[in-house]
Amino acid sequence: GQNIDQPTEMTATEGAIVQINCTYQTSGFNGLFWYQQHAGEAPTFLSYNVLDGLEEKGRFSSFLSRSKGYSYLLLKELQMKDSASYLCAVSESNYQLIWGAGTKLIIKP
Amino acid sequence: ETGVTQTPRHLVMGMTNKKSLKCEQHLGHNAMYWYKQSAKKPLELMFVYNFKEQTENNSVPSRFSPECPNSSHLFLHLHTLQPEDSALYLCASSQDYGTGANVLTFGAGSRLTVL
Repeated sequence: GQNIDQPTEMTATEGAIVQINCTYQTSGFNGLFWYQQHAGEAPTFLSYNVLDGLEEKGRFSSFLSRSKGYSYLLLKELQMKDSASYLCAVSESNYQLIWGAGTKLIIKP
Repeated sequence: ETGVTQTPRHLVMGMTNKKSLKCEQHLGHNAMYWYKQSAKKPLELMFVYNFKEQTENNSVPSRFSPECPNSSHLFLHLHTLQPEDSALYLCASSQDYGTGANVLTFGAGSRLTVL
């Protein structure tokens, strides 16, 4: 069946690096998205991967392995403002998005 | 105003009330969505409108009734809700529907509490 797994919560230190993993089992694949959602705010788009490999965008990078059904979001030089939930979503063969439950990232000074 | 705007931001209603949630987008997008977000659960797609036509209805109970009068406005009419319907209701829009790199722009949500 359809499933997206990501850790419920992670804690990291300001200035460090953190990797948030996402594994998926879906009906077809048309790309994987990462969104960031601060508490009480709208989710905002971070990245989209459709081919294997690493996409870098400033302090944030996203990796995809289609054969393993696996992605990760890498956040470098963590800042306090990076405290948020990170949502992984996969676009299936019918282009519907299947969402993970989100990973709450807590940054400590 | 730019982006996706939702009103009201907070709503408390009894089970016998009738209320509506409103969403407006100023992005020129052709598709609009209603999602339900409950704590520690994945986003649940409720409805999709593409060029004002409903294209998806994910087995949503009839106590939720969507309306899309034009490509910029989307409503969710609520009546005889249950306490388990308490959640954050997110509106989103995208340039198109049914493409791979379909980036969603979300509103900040309407926090609904059903007493």
